[in-house]
Amino acid sequence: DVKVTQSSRYLVKRTGEKVFLECVQDMDHENMFWYRQDPGLGLRLIYFSYDVKMKEKGDIPEGYSVSREKKERFSLILESASTNQTSMYLCALTGGGVRTEAFFGQGTRLTVV
Amino acid sequence: GESVGLHLPTLSVQEGDNSIINCAYSNSASDYFIWYKQESGKGPQFIIDIRSNMDKRQGQRVTVLLNKTVKHLSLQIAATQPGDSAVYFCAERDKAAGNKLTFGGGTRVLVKP
Repeated sequence: DVKVTQSSRYLVKRTGEKVFLECVQDMDHENMFWYRQDPGLGLRLIYFSYDVKMKEKGDIPEGYSVSREKKERFSLILESASTNQTSMYLCALTGGGVRTEAFFGQGTRLTVV
Repeated sequence: GESVGLHLPTLSVQEGDNSIINCAYSNSASDYFIWYKQESGKGPQFIIDIRSNMDKRQGQRVTVLLNKTVKHLSLQIAATQPGDSAVYFCAERDKAAGNKLTFGGGTRVLVKP
């Protein structure tokens, strides 16, 4: 089974803090993604990466950055957390084949107070 | 911009009945579609997929139908069970845009005993 592990299930951070969300995979897949999920808005893509040290902006990258120093790890960084970044964050990965079903982590529910 | 959307935010179904969840997409270049199920507190899980060169695909108790003429995707669940209560998302991939997936807003299915 594909395993996608997010470092925390629940996080509470203060406004202005720098926040790191970690995602680790064990499948040697190239493509990794960070989404946020909000009621009524579905999953929105923040950033994605096709390879080590490579990153691309998604649909809502403002206020976020990412790091991919190793293939198995993709980190989402909130440079200065704000209350509107309170959300469920989901890491996903896909392989490079024709069928690119995404495998998801369990999610991190971040609350910024 | 291109988007994937759902017609019904909540669907109540009697146990044993069939469920139909609908999804409209706007990107005619999308070549691959997926349905996900998300239970409370968990990340989305793959249910079934379909490529754009197909009209129908069947799995265990689930069927996905694709109508490219009207850009419509549906998920049919036969003999709905209490364990089917969840939020269901459709997703599309535009191969020209890389392997990122665009998700719809989700439909909540509530199964009544």
